[in-house]
Amino acid sequence: EVQLVESGGGLVQPGGSLRLSCAASGFMFSDHYMDWVRQAPGEGLEWVGRTRNKANGYTTEYAASVKGRFTISRDDSKNSLYLQMNSLKTEDTAVYYCGRAHGTKWSDHHLDYWGQGILVTVSS
Amino acid sequence: IQLTQSPSSLSASVGDRVTITCRASQGISSYLAWYQQKPGKAPKLLIYTASTLQSGVPSRFSGSGSGTDFTLTISSLQPEDFATYYCQLLNSYPLTFGGGTKVEIK
Repeated sequence: EVQLVESGGGLVQPGGSLRLSCAASGFMFSDHYMDWVRQAPGEGLEWVGRTRNKANGYTTEYAASVKGRFTISRDDSKNSLYLQMNSLKTEDTAVYYCGRAHGTKWSDHHLDYWGQGILVTVSS
Repeated sequence: IQLTQSPSSLSASVGDRVTITCRASQGISSYLAWYQQKPGKAPKLLIYTASTLQSGVPSRFSGSGSGTDFTLTISSLQPEDFATYYCQLLNSYPLTFGGGTKVEIK
């Protein structure tokens, strides 16, 4: 059974940093692109970014709203995905989800499995 | 590329046929997915490549369209279908989501 479990959320002051983790199980983690998606309270979904797999150089893509502040990484030996968030702003307050892209072709970029989400609150 | 969903909300009754639209600001071929989200839960994939039903999703859900105009149709709304629905662009970064359509009980 595919499982994605986020951890590391909590309360952080503006300007601070936080690192989220996503533990994956039940599938060959190293084969898949992995995404972070967030949802501010009462708002819609916002795509945060993606890490490609080893075969595609572990390259990353980011939304403009987080580029330069957030870094996505992965450790295939630990079946884990990470989101390092720096210079946090109040508008980064959201539930953060990790998601698995089905495959590496454009036609397979849909997110077929999601974690349960973890709340990050940026407030003084 | 922007995705515009309409309507942003709708009220419908059990058994109704419901149609949600998603319009892309430029052509995206068939690289679009639809998700369902219930309150306090993670999104769930319904449809990918515009019209392919994800395994395990009831056949009352269907998707159509290509280029710039897409639709998600629920042929006969069931009580468990009251939720918010999102479209997502899949072939150009950033992988934008539409603003969502909340389907409420009439």
